[in-house]
Amino acid sequence: KQEVTQIPAALSVPEGENLVLNCSFTDSAIYNLQWFRQDPGKGLTSLLLIQSSQREQTSGRLNASLDKSSGRSTLYIAASQPGDSATYLCAVPQGAQKLVFGQGTRLTINP
Amino acid sequence: GAVVSQHPSWVICKSGTSVKIECRSLDFQATTMFWYRQFPKQSLMLMATSNEGSKATYEQGVEKDKFLINHASLTLSTLTVTSAHPEDSSFYICSAPMGSYNEQFFGPGTRLTVL
Repeated sequence: KQEVTQIPAALSVPEGENLVLNCSFTDSAIYNLQWFRQDPGKGLTSLLLIQSSQREQTSGRLNASLDKSSGRSTLYIAASQPGDSATYLCAVPQGAQKLVFGQGTRLTINP
Repeated sequence: GAVVSQHPSWVICKSGTSVKIECRSLDFQATTMFWYRQFPKQSLMLMATSNEGSKATYEQGVEKDKFLINHASLTLSTLTVTSAHPEDSSFYICSAPMGSYNEQFFGPGTRLTVL
């Protein structure tokens, strides 16, 4: 059974810093990996999807990497801003589509 | 990205009543949709997989007679919480996959409060 772990559970940094969020999964036979953002009381916004054949994906100030063999993914946020404050979730499919989520990293960017 | 809507965004009901939540894919068709619930400060828990034209598949521990799912068209799935009780109060979120890599798109969620 796939298990997903995110470290740290919470992170607070000053504005402008670069930061890394970590995600690990137990079964390396994944189809893809998605990173999401969730604001309080809201749904999930898809940030990046990395296909199993890819090593990384970039979108603006976000860069996600994937190392299937070690069961790890990282989300790099450059030049953080207060608007980046949210909970970040990573998820991998179990089977074709059912997602297994990590517990999330609650990020606070201090002005 | 693709858009998934949910209605209502919040609902308050009395104990014992039933509540229906709709999930729509607005700009794509979805033969499969997923329903999750989320408790405060916790991650999402998959409840069931909604399949267009056939029965839903429920996760272990989820009562299918309590959480009725209907996927009547390629753009609409509904979750009905029957005989709701205060412990059913939660945030319910749906998702639908799109594209060849099954990227998942989520609705904005529905906050259910049962008094």
